Amino acid sequence: DIQLTQSPSTLPASLGERVTISCRASQSISNSLNWYQQKPDGTVKRLIYSTSTLESGVPSRFSGSGSGTDYSLSISSLESEDFAMYYCLQYATYPYTFGAGTKLELK
Amino acid sequence: EVQLQQSGAELVKPGASVKLSCKTSGYTFSNYYMSWLKQMPGQNIEWIGNIYGGNGGTGYNQKFKGKATLTVDKSSSTAYMDLSSLTSEDSAVYFCARSGSLDYWGQGVMVTVSS
Repeated sequence: DIQLTQSPSTLPASLGERVTISCRASQSISNSLNWYQQKPDGTVKRLIYSTSTLESGVPSRFSGSGSGTDYSLSISSLESEDFAMYYCLQYATYPYTFGAGTKLELK
Repeated sequence: EVQLQQSGAELVKPGASVKLSCKTSGYTFSNYYMSWLKQMPGQNIEWIGNIYGGNGGTGYNQKFKGKATLTVDKSSSTAYMDLSSLTSEDSAVYFCARSGSLDYWGQGVMVTVSS
């Protein structure tokens, strides 16, 4: 199975700050990587697909990049609704696998 | 609008089975796969497997073979997951999500295994 190492596990940040979350795969996943946001009520929403394509309706402060084994999610200027859990997912190879998550919390 | 509506929370006894449902609307059910996922409290998300809405063809994560059985009812655009021989390790929130790349998710359903 492909392992995704997501870091950091916790990210304290302030409103208006720019943050970046990293996701490293154990082998190349050819840009088959999505980013998800999970709110405290459990709701899961896809933010970015195929590494860098912004989901419709997702604010442009979110962006994704990467290639090969290294990928990242950036939020350019944090707003209050952005404090949540974030997960990366690879769908290049079965079984699909997720990173362990990053908790973005208010500093 | 694509919607995936999951059934309600379940409290089940150890050793029993449970069948979860995921009723869809807003898209052509038979043209897509449906994945099922597991999230234990405070833990990572695991992919259980997927099923094709057109012909019921399935693929499973080896870890969940024998535990989960996926089926579909095309007439009602609903996907199902049976979980068998439940133990405390099966207590979790289970999600359905439209595949290829898990674009739309259900709200999740909590399964609690307890005597």
